Amino acid sequence: AQKVTQAQTEISVVEKEDVTLDCVYETRDTTYYLFWYKQPPSGELVFLIRRNSFDEQNEISGRYSWNFQKSTSSFNFTITASQVVDSAVYFCALSEGGSARQLTFGSGTQLTVLP
Amino acid sequence: GAGVSQSPSNKVTEKGKDVELRCDPISGHTALYWYRQSLGQGLEFLIYFQGNSAPDKSGLPSDRFSAERTGGSVSTLTIQRTQQEDSAVYLCASSANLPVPWTGINDSPLHFGNGTRLTVT
Repeated sequence: AQKVTQAQTEISVVEKEDVTLDCVYETRDTTYYLFWYKQPPSGELVFLIRRNSFDEQNEISGRYSWNFQKSTSSFNFTITASQVVDSAVYFCALSEGGSARQLTFGSGTQLTVLP
Repeated sequence: GAGVSQSPSNKVTEKGKDVELRCDPISGHTALYWYRQSLGQGLEFLIYFQGNSAPDKSGLPSDRFSAERTGGSVSTLTIQRTQQEDSAVYLCASSANLPVPWTGINDSPLHFGNGTRLTVT
């Protein structure tokens, strides 16, 4: 069975600070995919990134970066120089077997960026 | 439309009444999912439709919940005899990527609607 744990329920930071959102996953498959989604107050989930289990290269996209470490089963997400617009709930998710059949989501981390 | 459309956006109902939530997926998407998001909780998988195959109902919490997808497009999630614990945001998502494995294209497997906020009083 697959499982995703986001231990941080809520995080508050002041604008321009860096913040890391943790994600730890469990799976028995050797092929799997990891995701991050952002859910702003409007409610719609916005896709941020997808990473497959064979690619441990870290990803950077603007102020966003992701650190994938298979040794610790973690896929952490860092926002550099946070902004108020980054305030949202962030979900980490896992899908086994190379299929989108069923994503398992973590419980989410509420990030609040204060001006 | 350009995205997944859900209606109504908000629904308030009395305990014991039946409700129907509608999802209009992106045209051409063969896969459709329903998720539930309770206050302060993550997303809980409810049901999955793929083409003409039998749906995966493994996430439905009770027999009061049912869903259908007519003509491989629009889906309706029905909750009978609603209870207060059914209050949540119900999210629908669709995907064009199944059943084949994903390609190397770094796109989302799921396109979500804005959800229906259900409040049972």
